[in-house]
Parts: sequence; C-alpha cells; structure tokens
Amino acid sequence: AQKVTQAQTEISVVEKEDVTLDCVYETRDTTYYLFWYKQPPSGELVFLIRRNSFDEQNEISGRYSWNFQKSTSSFNFTITASQVVDSAVYFCALSEADSGGSNYKLTFGKGTLLTVNP
Amino acid sequence: ETGVTQTPRHLVMGMTNKKSLKCEQHLGHNAMYWYKQSAKKPLELMFVYNFKEQTENNSVPSRFSPECPNSSHLFLHLHTLQPEDSALYLCASSQDRGGWNEQFFGPGTRLTVL
Repeated sequence: AQKVTQAQTEISVVEKEDVTLDCVYETRDTTYYLFWYKQPPSGELVFLIRRNSFDEQNEISGRYSWNFQKSTSSFNFTITASQVVDSAVYFCALSEADSGGSNYKLTFGKGTLLTVNP
Repeated sequence: ETGVTQTPRHLVMGMTNKKSLKCEQHLGHNAMYWYKQSAKKPLELMFVYNFKEQTENNSVPSRFSPECPNSSHLFLHLHTLQPEDSALYLCASSQDRGGWNEQFFGPGTRLTVL
C-alpha cells in the first residue's frame, strides 16, 4: 500500500475555476508532518505548506487553502480562482521518523499534474 | 532562487562513461539529499547526508556513488549506467533531519543514458 496516495493523476481546468487536489496518507505514527510541494516545468520543487499531526487547523494563503482531517487521513489542497501560472505538478508528502526515532524521511505521492487553460 | 544549485542541468552519457553531478546549497543547512524522479513514478530517495555523514542509502546500485566533502556540497558520481537510469536527479537540503524542516530543492539534472 502506498503511504501517500494522490488519486488524481491529471486535472485540467479553465482559468478562474476552483480546483481541489486530493491527498490521502497512511501512517502508524502519532507524530508526523505533511507537506505540499509544487513542481513547475522548470523542475525544482517549491515548498508550499507543512502541517504537523497535532495541528488540524485549516490554513488559507491567498488563493491557496489546505484542509487537514486526521479522521480520514487526508490533507487536501484547494486553489481558488485558478490561474495559468498554477499549472504544475503538485506533490503531497509525509514525513515520518525512522526506526531510530531521530531522523525523519519524506515520502512523496506520485503527484497530480494540474493544467490551467486560459 | 531556492539557494540550491545543480550542475550540469542536462547530461547525456554513454553506458561506459564516468560523470559526476554536483549540488551546492547556500542556505547553511546540515542535511543534503539525492532523489531520482522517473516518469510516472514517485520521487525516490537515494541518499541522505547529515552533518557530512551518510545516514541513508536506499538500496541504490553501486554504479551510483555519492560524496559529501562538506555540508554545502554534494556529488553523485556515475559509472557504467544503464538506460533505465535516465531520469531527473534532484538534490535537496534541509536544516537537519528533523521532521518539521522543509526541504529545499535544486532545479535538477536531466540525465539521459544512451
């Protein structure tokens, strides 16, 4: 089973539409961290947001918002009024401690390719 | 500008060549990572260095050899690669290996093995 599942491989929307990218994770740890990264065509992954497992408060940053629900092990990402510049691959990632407990490892989902058409 | 640079950006090599990928971070971080990104596969963690010590090797074939001479520089030495090794190789750094720390990524090296 995948630790991080992004069921949507590709999404295509028209500019100004709202779009939600889904992320479901799997862990046995009580302390863990969740991240979203954006990978534009230039290649480098850009950090967007992180959440720790004890903070279920949703967050809004401009047109971006994130919905973290431990009950469903989901950490979904919504872009409101999408723009062409939002076109990219978006990755959800889970950070868990290794067996020693001191080092954390980041596991990525397969990513969702978002295309925003003018 | 993320503070992590990688050279070269593109590399084409034959299966008998030896080449090296270079990564440099200007963020004062102590942990550095190599990832492989192949088409339609999740990012695969290859190696991790923390305070210049290798702390993780995810069963990577010996034809990939990492080197971390200091906390700012990371190399990936390539030797006798296979066509299936063609991929985008991403370097990243973080403050340390604490779970809260986000990783900062370089732009990657697009490697093609003929």
